[in-house]
Amino acid sequence: AQSVTQLGSHVSVSEGALVLLRCNYSSSVPPYLFWYVQYPNQGLQLLLKYTTGATLVKGINGFEAEFKKSETSFHLTKPSAHMSDAAEYFCAVSEGYGGATNKLIFGTGTLLAVQP
Amino acid sequence: NAGVTQTPKFQVLKTGQSMTLQCAQDMNHNSMYWYRQDPGMGLRLIYYSASEGTTDKGEVPNGYNVSRLNKREFSLRLESAAPSQTSVYFCASSEVPGNTIYFGEGSWLTVV
Repeated sequence: AQSVTQLGSHVSVSEGALVLLRCNYSSSVPPYLFWYVQYPNQGLQLLLKYTTGATLVKGINGFEAEFKKSETSFHLTKPSAHMSDAAEYFCAVSEGYGGATNKLIFGTGTLLAVQP
Repeated sequence: NAGVTQTPKFQVLKTGQSMTLQCAQDMNHNSMYWYRQDPGMGLRLIYYSASEGTTDKGEVPNGYNVSRLNKREFSLRLESAAPSQTSVYFCASSEVPGNTIYFGEGSWLTVV
């Protein structure tokens, strides 16, 4: 069965500092991996996804993530945090190539606070 | 540019009452999903429909039923609401595996 672990339910950084949100996954098949962001009282918005090919994936708002198969990780980074990045971030995994559906298994989320 | 539309946005139910959450997508997607979101637990899949005419259980299906009415619409029904079903419910859709999954804005349900 697939699963996702997000280390740190709350992360606080200063504006301009590096953002690092950790995600480890478990999957018996090649995975597709996703990061979503949720702003207060809103739905989820896709930040970036990894399916196949290049392991460094760039997303919206300056975020990127690297798929490391040997470490079963897909950590999210941003070089310089902005106040508008304050939100909850979810890592998710689904079956990869050949999977019958795209149903996602989510982590428990990381709430990012950005201090001025 | 509607995407995934859910109704109602807010609902308060009494224990034992029934209700249906409606969801429609206008992107001609094959697959649709219902998730619930609870604090500290992320999003958990309730039911999904890989294609029109099929539905399958997710992680937490107990107490819910679904209907894939047509390709556009996927409803979630609570037959006898319980306080444990107080949650935020999200409908989502996707075209094919690997493509982006799009979420609705959420439905806030409180069972008292």
